[in-house]
Order: sequence, then structure tokens, then C-alpha cells
Amino acid sequence: KAGVTQTPRYLIKTRGQQVTLSCSPISGHRSVSWYQQTPGQGLQFLFEYFSETQRNKGNFPGRFSGRQFSNSRSEMNVSTLELGDSALYLCASSSTTHTVYNSPLHFGNGTRLTVT
Amino acid sequence: QKEVEQNSGPLSVPEGAIASLNCTYSDRGSQSFFWYRQYSGKSPELIMFIYSNGDKEDGRFTAQLNKASQYVSLLIRDSQPSDSATYLCAVNERINTGTASKLTFGTGTRLQVTL
Repeated sequence: KAGVTQTPRYLIKTRGQQVTLSCSPISGHRSVSWYQQTPGQGLQFLFEYFSETQRNKGNFPGRFSGRQFSNSRSEMNVSTLELGDSALYLCASSSTTHTVYNSPLHFGNGTRLTVT
Repeated sequence: QKEVEQNSGPLSVPEGAIASLNCTYSDRGSQSFFWYRQYSGKSPELIMFIYSNGDKEDGRFTAQLNKASQYVSLLIRDSQPSDSATYLCAVNERINTGTASKLTFGTGTRLQVTL
């Protein structure tokens, strides 16, 4: 079974631009979560989607948004990029349906975003 | 603010020794606990998960959970140089019962296995 696929692997953008990252979950997984990883803050939760609905959102500004399509693929968008948005963005899928408690996340390889 | 705390390390152990990695969490309602390993420049990969108090063994790895003390640990027996990585503890928070899935991660413990 194929793993979580994220594209692109690397991105270089300038301040003020916007960017869209893509994620294809493991086949059959309907839950997709996004995390930002930086050396100083570790893994920070952005949001989670299930069946095209955002179920939970982390403490990030509204410049960070996402969506999920009917095939469970997800996109994340960051508008008006700032230098501090430079990070590794990780997508993860899970087989969780209704229960919170028993489904680990499986991560993709991430998208390394550099904002100059 | 719910938290997951880990000692950042580095934790240095000789090859063949037992490495003990610890994690504490603040949300008493947490029900699921996960350990991930992350090599430098790579994404986290799942090692183990544990839901019940006690020990759970998988090969060289043993996860230990004590919900009363809000403590979860990972033991790595017969440590190998290839185990050198950052180990992330993750706790599945109870947000809205049955409607959300969120893992809160600790900042990780860097393990160095020396020859």
C-alpha cells in the first residue's frame, strides 16, 4: 500500500507570495492532518480534515488554510508569506473515523518551504 | 494549555545498552500514546502505540504507560547506532468526543548510540 505523498518536496518563495501544498493520504484513510515543524517549536498542529470537513484547528493565523476533496486528498494554502513561515510542513493520514483514541498518524515526507 | 514534555537530550548510551526515553503529559483525559522516531531530515515514523496502563513490547522496543502519574516511556534494548535519532512522544488529546483527531507532540529527545 502506498504511503502518504506530499508535493512538492521543496519550495522557495518570497515574502508576500502565497503557496499551496498538496497531500495524498494512504488509500482508505479519510482523516488528514497538517503539521508545521520548526527547530524551535517542534511539531505544531495546523488542522485536521475528515470527509471534506475541518474538524479541528490549531493556533495559527487565518493566512493558513486548507481543504479536503472527496477523494480525501488535501491541500494547504499559506497566503502573504512571512519569513517565519519557513518550515517543514508535514501531512499525515489516519484511519480514524469516529473515535479519537486508537488511530496513529502516518506521515508523508513533507514539503520544505523556504521564504526569502 | 495541554502539554507533552520530553527531555531534549542528547541522551547518549553505548551500543548494546538500554536506552530509556521519558515523556509526561498534562491532559488527564488522554487515552492514546504514540512514539515516533525521526531521523535528521526525514519525517516521523511510528514505532509503537499504547492505550492501556502497563507495558507493551515489540521486538527491542517496550512502551510503558502510567496514567495515574501521566507518564509514558520507551525502552530500547540492545541499542544500535542505527537507533540514533530524535524520538517524539505524541498524545492523542480528547477534544470533542468522537469528532476530532489530534496528536500533540513533545519536542523530542535526541538519542545518540555510541560505538
